[in-house]
Amino acid sequence: QKEVEQNSGPLSVPEGAIASLNCTYSDRGSQSFFWYRQYSGKSPELIMFIYSNGDKEDGRFTAQLNKASQYVSLLIRDSQPSDSATYLCRGDYKLSFGAGTTVTVRA
Amino acid sequence: DVKVTQSSRYLVKRTGEKVFLECVQDMDHENMFWYRQDPGLGLRLIYFSYDVKMKEKGDIPEGYSVSREKKERFSLILESASTNQTSMYLCASSSRGDRGPYEQYFGPGTRLTVT
Repeated sequence: QKEVEQNSGPLSVPEGAIASLNCTYSDRGSQSFFWYRQYSGKSPELIMFIYSNGDKEDGRFTAQLNKASQYVSLLIRDSQPSDSATYLCRGDYKLSFGAGTTVTVRA
Repeated sequence: DVKVTQSSRYLVKRTGEKVFLECVQDMDHENMFWYRQDPGLGLRLIYFSYDVKMKEKGDIPEGYSVSREKKERFSLILESASTNQTSMYLCASSSRGDRGPYEQYFGPGTRLTVT
């Protein structure tokens, strides 16, 4: 079993909708989780991190962490075509990433 | 501005060749990482280093070695390249956070093809 699993997608949402991305993890050593965005042909860049149970909001992005259930999610509200990318998550203990979820926002 | 550079964007090598991939960061970061990225498999950690001359194996170190003689430079070495090492290689660096490696900054990547 991979340490980090993501809903594989691809995910297609209309402009203005909410995109919901999930990541489950098996290693209990991770305390913090990071969401990266990777545009096609580019390198990943950090968009959010979370280390406490509950929600963390930053603009149109909300990260949610549930340590008991071992999942972390990312919500993108009011999705824009510029949000079309692959989203990757990882923990801070095992440093490999999930396979990523490719999001396409339809105008 | 934060910068991680990699020696080549594209590289073509023959099976059995020794291959060096170089990565340089200008942020005085303690941690440096080498990943490979393949479709459907995400970014898999090959090796990382948390200090000069220190290295730790990641999830897929077989067939690779690394060298970190200076803080700003981290090299990935393929001792004898094989076709299954054809991939995109990404280098990253980060400062040392309270909860482990903090935000990673990635280089542009090297697309290696082994024929």
